[in-house]
Amino acid sequence: GQNIDQPTEMTATEGAIVQINCTYQTSGFNGLFWYQQHAGEAPTFLSYNVLDGLEEKGRFSSFLSRSKGYSYLLLKELQMKDSASYLCAVRALSGGYNKLIFGAGTRLAVHP
Amino acid sequence: DADVTQTPRNRITKTGKRIMLECSQTKGHDRMYWYRQDPGLGLRLIYYSFDVKDINKGEISDGYSVSRQAQAKFSLSLESAIPNQTALYFCATSDSREWDIQYFGAGTRLSVL
Repeated sequence: GQNIDQPTEMTATEGAIVQINCTYQTSGFNGLFWYQQHAGEAPTFLSYNVLDGLEEKGRFSSFLSRSKGYSYLLLKELQMKDSASYLCAVRALSGGYNKLIFGAGTRLAVHP
Repeated sequence: DADVTQTPRNRITKTGKRIMLECSQTKGHDRMYWYRQDPGLGLRLIYYSFDVKDINKGEISDGYSVSRQAQAKFSLSLESAIPNQTALYFCATSDSREWDIQYFGAGTRLSVL
């Protein structure tokens, strides 16, 4: 079956660094996405990994290890506006179609 | 203007009523999707469409139907709404030539009483 695990909630301090982990078990793996979702708003695309390693994009970085079924999102120099849910999503090939399977999300609270 | 527009943004309806949620996009993407989001659960796929003549069921399609009226328009219908269809509904689009990164509309909050 398909399974994605990420912590339900995390807290961090403004200016700090936080790492949000995601583990997955899926067949037909074809990429991993991270989305940010502020309360009551649409998810917005943050990053995409298809090969092992680190992808850096400004204050945000995402890492993937396909052999371990593991990814993390690293947020540096945290700002209050980074308080949001972070969704890990695995793209898996199934029935000729690349299906996107979402985790339940990690709610991050950034405190002053 | 938003690239992916959903209407209405909020809707309250009664059990047994038929309701339609609409989605339109100006991104020129070929693929469109409907998801629902419930507290504590991930986004779950209801239906998806790769082009106007292609409609496919997602993991939770029972009780829902869709129509792809044009490349830019994809509507979701609840034929006879029930309370457990109360949720936040999102439409998304993607371009098969751009890693299928999905872009979401602002969502429709639906309450079925």
